[in-house]
Amino acid sequence: DSGVTQTPKHLITATGQRVTLRCSPRSGDLSVYWYQQSLDQGLQFLIQYYNGEERAKGNILERFSAQQFPDLHSELNLSSLELGDSALYFCASSVGLGAGNTIYFGEGSWLTVV
Amino acid sequence: QQQVKQSPQSLIVQKGGISIINCAYENTAFDYFPWYQQFPGKGPALLIAIRPDVSEKKEGRFTISFNKSAKQFSLHIMDSQPGDSATYFCAASSLGGSARQLTFGSGTQLTVLP
Repeated sequence: DSGVTQTPKHLITATGQRVTLRCSPRSGDLSVYWYQQSLDQGLQFLIQYYNGEERAKGNILERFSAQQFPDLHSELNLSSLELGDSALYFCASSVGLGAGNTIYFGEGSWLTVV
Repeated sequence: QQQVKQSPQSLIVQKGGISIINCAYENTAFDYFPWYQQFPGKGPALLIAIRPDVSEKKEGRFTISFNKSAKQFSLHIMDSQPGDSATYFCAASSLGGSARQLTFGSGTQLTVLP
């Protein structure tokens, strides 16, 4: 158990809908990352927050947004869902930004868009 | 664009054999090179990591070899066991601006035959 908690574990929704994925980082970790994993794209970095502030954006679509709250939990919002958005979404966390700060991954949220 | 190229895509090894997975990178700003292990239905878990000032790091049956001049690093799994069957991802991390990003290789699916 990495200590990173993600909910829900599985989610099935229809195209055009909006979903919210939730992440609780490890206790004491200030940095939260979101990754998307699909068969054809591998592990793709989406976005990073550090202590409530957005720090980096990767291959995140405009239909997707995220935020990190004062209690450090984070949410990833996916809207106007398309079939291609079906993937495993991982949240990860680390204490800080220094080299060697281990990034721990949750078990992911399986999203299926039908 | 930051990239980490990983090979082979899949690997089949007999129990007791040596598994070798290779990765290459281009960005000399990378300062941390972790390997992650992922079992089906689980999130990636840190296996072992190395910094560029070290040429080799060993933890149990797992060894990272790092060649800074060639910008290559590899994972060696000695005495491979069926329980090692998983997908392995190399990764590279750098501190860019105020964010630390982790870039993953495409993954290697390792199967260890009993």
